[in-house]
Amino acid sequence: GENVEQHPSTLSVQEGDSAVIKCTYSDSASNYFPWYKQELGKRPQLIIDIRSNVGEKKDQRIAVTLNKTAKHFSLHITETQPEDSAVYFCAASKGFKTIFGAGTRLFVKA
Amino acid sequence: GAVVSQHPSWVICKSGTSVKIECRSLDFQATTMFWYRQFPKQSLMLMATSNEGSKATYEQGVEKDKFLINHASLTLSTLTVTSAHPEDSSFYICSATGGAGVLGETQYFGPGTRLLVL
Repeated sequence: GENVEQHPSTLSVQEGDSAVIKCTYSDSASNYFPWYKQELGKRPQLIIDIRSNVGEKKDQRIAVTLNKTAKHFSLHITETQPEDSAVYFCAASKGFKTIFGAGTRLFVKA
Repeated sequence: GAVVSQHPSWVICKSGTSVKIECRSLDFQATTMFWYRQFPKQSLMLMATSNEGSKATYEQGVEKDKFLINHASLTLSTLTVTSAHPEDSSFYICSATGGAGVLGETQYFGPGTRLLVL
């Protein structure tokens, strides 16, 4: 079955710096890759997603890249702000089956 | 759009009792709903997938007689934790999707239910 690995588990950056979170997946048939942000005690919120026919997608300060050959995708947050502090989950999806990474705890220091 | 509600938001119960959690899609028809369990500082663990009018599909290791799932309509799914024990204490989150599952579907999450079994 699908396996999603996410790194790093914890990331601490200074406000204004960039943050990069990386994920790899094992099932080449996975075709949808969402990223979720979860603040403490709250629901995961979709922040950006990318489908397998696209290599890169950007939404303001957030961008995601996908390398299907390497089965690797990444989340890039530029100009980080304290409110970006949260846990971020990547996921790989095929049909209704979605497998989540272990999560990255991002701390943005003011 | 794509709002999912969950009720109750937290519940404390005695060991041996049953607890029902409701998950509703408020502004769309959910073809499929999912139930997850999340332990502190850990990822989302899929428990089961449910489709309206059919039996839920449980993940390996999840006891279907322990965690009863009913998906009675396109906007409501319920999870009943039967004969709850302290080890069932956790954060339970549902999600819903309105797609056909062909291209990979965005899941919209409920706010979660924190269950504490004494």
